[in-house]
Amino acid sequence: AQKVTQAQTEISVVEKEDVTLDCVYETRDTTYYLFWYKQPPSGELVFLIRRNSFDEQNEISGRYSWNFQKSTSSFNFTITASQVVDSAVYFCALSGSSETGNQFYFGTGTSLTVIP
Amino acid sequence: DAGVIQSPRHEVTEMGQEVTLRCKPISGHDYLFWYRQTMMRGLELLIYFNNNVPIDDSGMPEDRFSAKMPNASFSTLKIQPSEPRDSAVYFCASSLAPSDQFFGPGTRLTVL
Repeated sequence: AQKVTQAQTEISVVEKEDVTLDCVYETRDTTYYLFWYKQPPSGELVFLIRRNSFDEQNEISGRYSWNFQKSTSSFNFTITASQVVDSAVYFCALSGSSETGNQFYFGTGTSLTVIP
Repeated sequence: DAGVIQSPRHEVTEMGQEVTLRCKPISGHDYLFWYRQTMMRGLELLIYFNNNVPIDDSGMPEDRFSAKMPNASFSTLKIQPSEPRDSAVYFCASSLAPSDQFFGPGTRLTVL
């Protein structure tokens, strides 16, 4: 079964603090993709990153970094020196490649509030 | 480049009316997806197409929902008759398999 779990429903941090959003996934596919999307209060879904199952290198993009660990089936997202503009709901998603076709399985999202 | 285009952005209708949501995918993308987002159920995949052919419609909640993709640049999601519980944000997304799905801005549907 394909499943994405984001155990943190809501997180509040004070501006400039670092925050990590957790994502744990389940899949039987050997080839799969993991994603993070941001949904700001305006409602659109903004693509942040894609990772394929063969690439466990961590990635950094400005204040954003991602830690992919196949051993623990986790793909965590860290925001360094958080800013008010980071306030949004963040979704982790999984896409398989076998009988699941190109379907996405989204987590329930983590609502992040950055307090000025 | 234009992203995924959805119309209308907001729709308010009365129970029993027919509602048609429209989507124009990114040119060249051969996958198109319809999602529904509600507070209670989060993001749900309703149906997706590959090369204009419906591949999986198991997420379509009822026979009241139907989706078509008459050509590579246009898709519709129709609800007939609409009910208050259909109120949600409906997203369309497109992609080149198996890469990233790019989402449209969504249509906020309110059924009174």
